[in-house]
Amino acid sequence: AQKVTQAQTEISVVEKEDVTLDCVYETRDTTYYLFWYKQPPSGELVFLIRRNSFDEQNEISGRYSWNFQKSTSSFNFTITASQVVDSAVYFCALSETFTGNQFYFGTGTSLTVIP
Amino acid sequence: AAGVIQSPRHLIKEKRETATLKCYPIPRHDTVYWYQQGPGQDPQFLISFYEKMQSDKGSIPDRFSAQQFSDYHSELNMSSLELGDSALYFCASSSPGGLKDGYTFGSGTRLTVV
Repeated sequence: AQKVTQAQTEISVVEKEDVTLDCVYETRDTTYYLFWYKQPPSGELVFLIRRNSFDEQNEISGRYSWNFQKSTSSFNFTITASQVVDSAVYFCALSETFTGNQFYFGTGTSLTVIP
Repeated sequence: AAGVIQSPRHLIKEKRETATLKCYPIPRHDTVYWYQQGPGQDPQFLISFYEKMQSDKGSIPDRFSAQQFSDYHSELNMSSLELGDSALYFCASSSPGGLKDGYTFGSGTRLTVV
């Protein structure tokens, strides 16, 4: 069973709109990490954020913000005032200590920002 | 800062040939992970090594093998290549402190089997 669910396969927004990418995860481990990566057309995985299971503080970094809620097993990612350069596939990932720290990726959300 | 180095960046092979992908982790990182990302897919875990020993195994085909050497670099050997092996292969490394100290992906090797 998929441990990370990104229900939104594709999203299109007009430049300057805000957009939220959803991520729901499943784990029985008490110590785990959640990540978001951006994958532009060039293919590399660009690290955006890491959050451990004991830190539920939301985080803001420029136009990016993340909302981690253990009660709903969600780790959503919001881009405010989107730009064309934000167009990419975004992956949410889970890593559990008891399964050797391998990453379980969601299926990704392809974001297109239209000028 | 040094990153995870993967070579080659691109590789084209014919069916039934053999390919070797190399990964050089960040200095002092003792764990290496390999992932395979097919077209339009999410990366899938293949195998990992800790201190030169295999630590975990994922969905790695029997035609593939990997090892980690004394200098901590790792190689993924792929034999009897099939068209379906065409993918982006990522290597990642982590430090002795585990995920709390970081987990870094290389830029990937794009393998095309024709």
